[in-house]
Amino acid sequence: QLVQSGANVSQPGGSLRLSCAASGFSFDDYAMHWVRQAPGKGLEWVSGINYNSGDTHYADSVKGRFTISRDNAKRFLYLQMNGLRADDTALYYCAKDFYAHSNGWFERWGQGTLVMVSS
Amino acid sequence: SSGLTQDPAVSVALGQTVKITCQGDTLRGYHATWYQQKAGQAPTLVMYSENSRPTGISDRFSGSRSGNTVSLTISGAQAEDEADYYCNSRDRSGNVVFGGGTKLTVL
Repeated sequence: QLVQSGANVSQPGGSLRLSCAASGFSFDDYAMHWVRQAPGKGLEWVSGINYNSGDTHYADSVKGRFTISRDNAKRFLYLQMNGLRADDTALYYCAKDFYAHSNGWFERWGQGTLVMVSS
Repeated sequence: SSGLTQDPAVSVALGQTVKITCQGDTLRGYHATWYQQKAGQAPTLVMYSENSRPTGISDRFSGSRSGNTVSLTISGAQAEDEADYYCNSRDRSGNVVFGGGTKLTVL
């Protein structure tokens, strides 16, 4: 099970940190990802991290602004979001990969966290 | 290009068979997965590695690949199959890419 933190609101240029608590599986054996969905739009992959934090990947749209991290001891996945823009407004999902290294196969999803960026 | 292309909308009569396609150059080198997203819900994995069904997914769902195109086929479509369907894969740099999604209407 993946349980995400509550909704967040920020002004443009602000920062937020999303969290995702994992249970029911060996968290430190799997890569994890963040995927977002703007209102009325399709799914957009945001970032992925391998099982031991040794490898991370980012979509071009967030590179240099967002940082993915994980705490395997606490079984948490995080997304630090800086320099937020209006087009970052979306429902953000955390997702579990099939494998230890990022493969993009999402077999389990969190319930989503709404992020709204507005002045 | 690592983009994936899907038809925006497809319709099927109740009980009939429908094929949803996803096309992209990256599919020549990497496997695809399919997700079903019903209104107001998180996505659910319905097919991985082109033609493998996760536990609990109806055998009315099947998948295939031909060249740079993968397909999700729903046989005997039911009202509960009405949803948005997304394909995804990865590229050589390790990034993940989604198709734009296909809205399936069951008539």
